[in-house]
Amino acid sequence: DADVTQTPRNRITKTGKRIMLECSQTKGHDRMYWYRQDPGLGLRLIYYSFDVKDINKGEISDGYSVSRQAQAKFSLSLESAIPNQTALYFCATSERTGENEQFFGPGTRLTVL
Amino acid sequence: ILNVEQSPQSLHVQEGDSTNFTCSFPSSNFYALHWYRWETAKSPEALFVMTLNGDEKKKGRISATLNTKEGYSYLYIKGSQPEDSATYLCAFPNTGGFKTIFGAGTRLFVKA
Repeated sequence: DADVTQTPRNRITKTGKRIMLECSQTKGHDRMYWYRQDPGLGLRLIYYSFDVKDINKGEISDGYSVSRQAQAKFSLSLESAIPNQTALYFCATSERTGENEQFFGPGTRLTVL
Repeated sequence: ILNVEQSPQSLHVQEGDSTNFTCSFPSSNFYALHWYRWETAKSPEALFVMTLNGDEKKKGRISATLNTKEGYSYLYIKGSQPEDSATYLCAFPNTGGFKTIFGAGTRLFVKA
């Protein structure tokens, strides 16, 4: 079984709809992250969380919100989806020590029409 | 805003060729550098975590070097194979690892 899972894997939605992307991990890591990837650009950080009570904005948090329901679960919400949020979204986890590598989920391909 | 740059953007080589690409990052406040391999339709997977100036890491035919004073890292692949075809990302976590800046990647195509 995968250590980091994301649901759904693909989603097509319409402008203005609310959508939630979910991430679960079995690695026991404290740190969790949400990234988006657009063609020609690197992964860009949306939000990150160091534990259930610690949530922080990344470089492109506008239009997104998150919830850390438990150590193992970190959800990303688009309150009112817009077409330029069409992208590939990745959840990732890492151990407490910063220099450790991140472990990525399989990604969610989101299309906003 | 910190900038992490990778070159070239893409690279086409023949099977058996050796190749290398570059990651440039800010040399001040260095904390760590990560290399990831990202195959199409899969998720990125870590290749190397590098923390010390002069670090050299190796995994099979793939190796990496690090120069923190001048702000660059090289990734080398010896005797490229078609299965090496992937996007190679470098990533620069800030001090404490709170935020990681990813480069746009080098897309490698290895033709049999």
